[in-house]
Amino acid sequence: DAKTTQPPSMDCAEGRAANLPCNHSTISGNEYVYWYRQIHSQGPQYIIHGLKNNETNEMASLIITEDRKSSTLILPHATLRDTAVYYCIVSNSGYALNFGKGTSLLVTP
Amino acid sequence: GAVVSQHPSWVICKSGTSVKIECRSLDFQATTMFWYRQFPKQSLMLMATSNEGSKATYEQGVEKDKFLINHASLTLSTLTVTSAHPEDSSFYICSAMGGTGSYGYTFGSGTRLTVV
Repeated sequence: DAKTTQPPSMDCAEGRAANLPCNHSTISGNEYVYWYRQIHSQGPQYIIHGLKNNETNEMASLIITEDRKSSTLILPHATLRDTAVYYCIVSNSGYALNFGKGTSLLVTP
Repeated sequence: GAVVSQHPSWVICKSGTSVKIECRSLDFQATTMFWYRQFPKQSLMLMATSNEGSKATYEQGVEKDKFLINHASLTLSTLTVTSAHPEDSSFYICSAMGGTGSYGYTFGSGTRLTVV
């Protein structure tokens, strides 16, 4: 699987948009970009995933660059409950997800 | 949506005993399940991949005789930590493929194992 690079930590004010970047410069054509988050002592929670096009769901938006070498997860209106570690993972569908170190997002009042 | 139930959520056992952790897909059939473990302040590390009706595939460095995985049905996979030692204390998490939705990977809530 291609590896990803994420900043180790980020802060965001409550109510503001949180933009979490991810670099995946070695991504291959069949690999999806997945985003999961993990709140302390819980299992990872699915957020969103995409292949080429930008995606949006009730939780977040995923912006993938045209060359697919990087992406940004956007939480439009961050709340305190969004404080978690966010993982960006690239993987072929059907294979295990290999987690990197992720970004620890702290949402402050 | 897809739900994966993992039990127990926490367990304390004595050194030398065995512990079984169950991972169930509640509303879908999971042909493939994955087992991870996570040490404090670290990321999830893939331990093994299990496919229903066949032997599990273990990642390098994971002892298959110590971490027994059984995936006897399309809704249940079990991980048994045999002859547990304090260094096996960790957070164990399962993930299942399949279910509703297009993303395909659903995670359990994890099991905190403490070996004393």
